[in-house]
Amino acid sequence: GENVEQHPSTLSVQEGDSAVIKCTYSDSASNYFPWYKQELGKRPQLIIDIRSNVGEKKDQRIAVTLNKTAKHFSLHITETQPEDSAVYFCAAAKYNNNDMRFGAGTRLTVKP
Amino acid sequence: GAGVSQSPRYKVTKRGQDVALRCDPISGHVSLYWYRQALGQGPEFLTYFNYEAQQDKSGLPNDRFSAERPEGSISTLTIQRTEQRDSAMYRCASSQRRTVKTGTSASPDTQYFGPGTRLTVL
Repeated sequence: GENVEQHPSTLSVQEGDSAVIKCTYSDSASNYFPWYKQELGKRPQLIIDIRSNVGEKKDQRIAVTLNKTAKHFSLHITETQPEDSAVYFCAAAKYNNNDMRFGAGTRLTVKP
Repeated sequence: GAGVSQSPRYKVTKRGQDVALRCDPISGHVSLYWYRQALGQGPEFLTYFNYEAQQDKSGLPNDRFSAERPEGSISTLTIQRTEQRDSAMYRCASSQRRTVKTGTSASPDTQYFGPGTRLTVL
């Protein structure tokens, strides 16, 4: 089955700096890659997702890149703010097999 | 509109008791998913439904766990003869469609999570 690995497990950046979180997946048939942000005690909230027909997607300060050949995808947050502090999870899923597999999470801390 | 809701939000039970966890998906959402999330970990897939049909239950840990969605809307995850190792946050999610078509390919639709039920087995 699919295996998703996520790095780093913790990341601390200064406010205004960029943060990058990387994930790899094992199943080359996976074609849907969402990123969720989870604040303490709250539900995971989708922040951006990418499907394998594109290599990059951007939404304001957040962007995701996908390299299908290497089977990895990354989350980029620019101009980080303290409210970006949370745990971020990547995931992978494929058509007709919707059991989405999650990475172990990255705890991002943005220091003011 | 209203998001995914779950009840109860907290459940404390004694070892050996049965528990039933309820999920109310976003109205009209076709697919419903159950996950278990341990503290500090990502959600772990348990099972999912398209309408009332259970599509995949490969993630259910053992036969004490079962789920149903008889009318294609509300779903119940039941754990029989609970054990301490069953203690976790149980989350459900729903998606509007089974798949999204982009060009010639199809991929799963976006999943929206509920607030979860924190289960503690004493």
